[in-house]
Amino acid sequence: DAKTTQPTSMDCAEGRAANLPCNHSTISGNEYVYWYRQIHSQGPQYIIHGLKNNETNEMASLIITEDRKSSTLILPHATLRDTAVYYCIVGTGANNLFFGTGTRLTVIP
Amino acid sequence: EPEVTQTPSHQVTQMGQEVILRCVPISNHLYFYWYRQILGQKVEFLVSFYNNEISEKSEIFDDQFSVERPDGSNFTLKIRSTKLEDSAMYFCASRPGQPPYEQYFGPGTRLTVT
Repeated sequence: DAKTTQPTSMDCAEGRAANLPCNHSTISGNEYVYWYRQIHSQGPQYIIHGLKNNETNEMASLIITEDRKSSTLILPHATLRDTAVYYCIVGTGANNLFFGTGTRLTVIP
Repeated sequence: EPEVTQTPSHQVTQMGQEVILRCVPISNHLYFYWYRQILGQKVEFLVSFYNNEISEKSEIFDDQFSVERPDGSNFTLKIRSTKLEDSAMYFCASRPGQPPYEQYFGPGTRLTVT
């Protein structure tokens, strides 16, 4: 599975959009981009995934560049409950998930 | 909304004792996983299970560990003789059989070995 690079930490003001970047320059054609988050010590929570096109669901939007080498997770109106570690994971999904260190997002009141 | 459940939420055991961690995956999912997270460290894959057998395991998953799906709903992780370094959060996950294969995680069991 392709490796990803994410910033270690980010801050975002409550109510503003949080934009979390991820680089995955070695992604293969059949690999998805998955985003998960982990709030404190809870189980990781699936957020969204994408293959080529931009995706949106009730939690977030995912913007994937045309060359698929990077992506951005957007939380449109961050709340304090969105404070968590966000993981960008690339893979076919058929195998286990490889969790890196992720981005620790802190939403500030 | 269906969810993965795990019991117990916290297990304290003495070194050398056997523990069984239990999970109920989402009912129509076909693939099951165990991960662990030592305090302050990354989430690490332990084992995946499909069609009543292990499909993949990490080097962490040695002979002290075993998994079982004893009936149609439960999925268990057994540690035969616990060590201090087995203290961690253990997460169960499941996923459907069709792409894009997103995994759904349970809330975890905190295992403390004393």
